[in-house]
Amino acid sequence: VIWMTQSPSLLSASTGDRVTISCRMSQGISSYLAWYQQKPGKAPELLIYAASTLQSGVPSRFSGSGSGTDFTLTISCLQSEDFATYYCQQYYSFPWTFGQGTKVEIK
Amino acid sequence: EVQLLESGGGLVQPGGSLRLSCAASGFTFSSYAMSWVRQAPGKGLEWVSAISGSGGSTYYADSVKGRFTISRDNSKNTLYLQMNSLRAEDTAVYYCAKDWEYCSGGSCGDYFDYWGQGTLVTVSS
Repeated sequence: VIWMTQSPSLLSASTGDRVTISCRMSQGISSYLAWYQQKPGKAPELLIYAASTLQSGVPSRFSGSGSGTDFTLTISCLQSEDFATYYCQQYYSFPWTFGQGTKVEIK
Repeated sequence: EVQLLESGGGLVQPGGSLRLSCAASGFTFSSYAMSWVRQAPGKGLEWVSAISGSGGSTYYADSVKGRFTISRDNSKNTLYLQMNSLRAEDTAVYYCAKDWEYCSGGSCGDYFDYWGQGTLVTVSS
């Protein structure tokens, strides 16, 4: 099983801020990493796959980077609709696993 | 437009059974693997099970292996999850998700490009 450490678990920020979320793997996964956004009471939505490829329709203020064991999701200029919980997911090997989640809240 | 609509959730006693369904539309259902992912109240996401497009290959998380069975009916564009011997810790919202296979350097894995709205399963006496 590949274990994932996502940090921070809670991030307080203001509209317009640049925020960064980290996801670290227990072993290398090349670029087999996705990021999702989940709002309360809703299903997750895919933001990024292959570590850095933006899903169609996702705003360009979202970006992903990293390879191997260390990955980052960056929101360049936080908007009101971005306050949500974010999850990373590895799909390098079964079982597919998710990070613990990062809640981005209004400061 | 891709749509995934889960049904079948509800309240069940420990040790009981439940079958979830996920009706799919807007894509060629038989061409894609599908998964179930669950989320316990106030907790994170946990992948539960996956099935190949043909239904010939199935995969399970250790936490449900031997108790849950994933299946699909490609003639009805429907995914199923049969859940037996349910435990309190199985209480969660269950999402069906469409897999997208990503391959690089001869190795492949799946992420989830579309999700249903979820169905709540509560295991309690």
